[in-house]
Amino acid sequence: NFMLTQPHSVSESPGKTVTISCTGSSGSIASNYVQWFQQRPGSAPTTVIYEHNQRPSGVPDRFSGSIDSSSNSASLTISGLKTEDEADYYCQSYDSSNWVFGGGTKLTVL
Amino acid sequence: EVQLVESGGGLVQPGGSLRLSCGASGFTVSSNYMSWVRQAPGKGLEWVSVIYSGGSTYYADSVKGRFTISRDNSKNTVSLQMNSLRTEDTAVYYCVGAYSSSWNLYWGQGTLVTVSS
Repeated sequence: NFMLTQPHSVSESPGKTVTISCTGSSGSIASNYVQWFQQRPGSAPTTVIYEHNQRPSGVPDRFSGSIDSSSNSASLTISGLKTEDEADYYCQSYDSSNWVFGGGTKLTVL
Repeated sequence: EVQLVESGGGLVQPGGSLRLSCGASGFTVSSNYMSWVRQAPGKGLEWVSVIYSGGSTYYADSVKGRFTISRDNSKNTVSLQMNSLRTEDTAVYYCVGAYSSSWNLYWGQGTLVTVSS
């Protein structure tokens, strides 16, 4: 079964840049679109990146997505960190008809 | 503006049944795709089921044969019929929708299902 692996947690200071990785267990991660979701405590998830690197309207351009085929990974990069970015972040893709989520990464901004 | 609103959550005993509904506004359920994603307390997101515009349905192995996704085009709603519920089905269930050919997912606020005796 296809799996997506994320680091359990990352932390960085306000104003800095952080990158969260999402590694595919098999196949080519570039072949199927990867999405990223932000979930603040007590709230529903929201989409911050879709189709590898597209931002929904309203999501600041501090959020960007990319694919690295050499490591079979997707990455979410957040620049100019703000305290409001502190949240859980999930990557998601699919394998044939099944959707697959990564385990989530807790971002602490301190 | 797309809005998805779930209803139908609650407390149910193991082995029981529950039906969740999701009403959509600013979005036509029949011509796009809808999914259910759940989150157990303190855990990550888990995909449950999806229904595509053509009517095809798919399920996670953990719910296959017990859950059924369907839609009512006249009411612009999607439902999740959950039978033979287990304690491990306890979670917040989110309704998720997207325009066909797009992975820009819209999320509802979720409804809590608790399976306990």
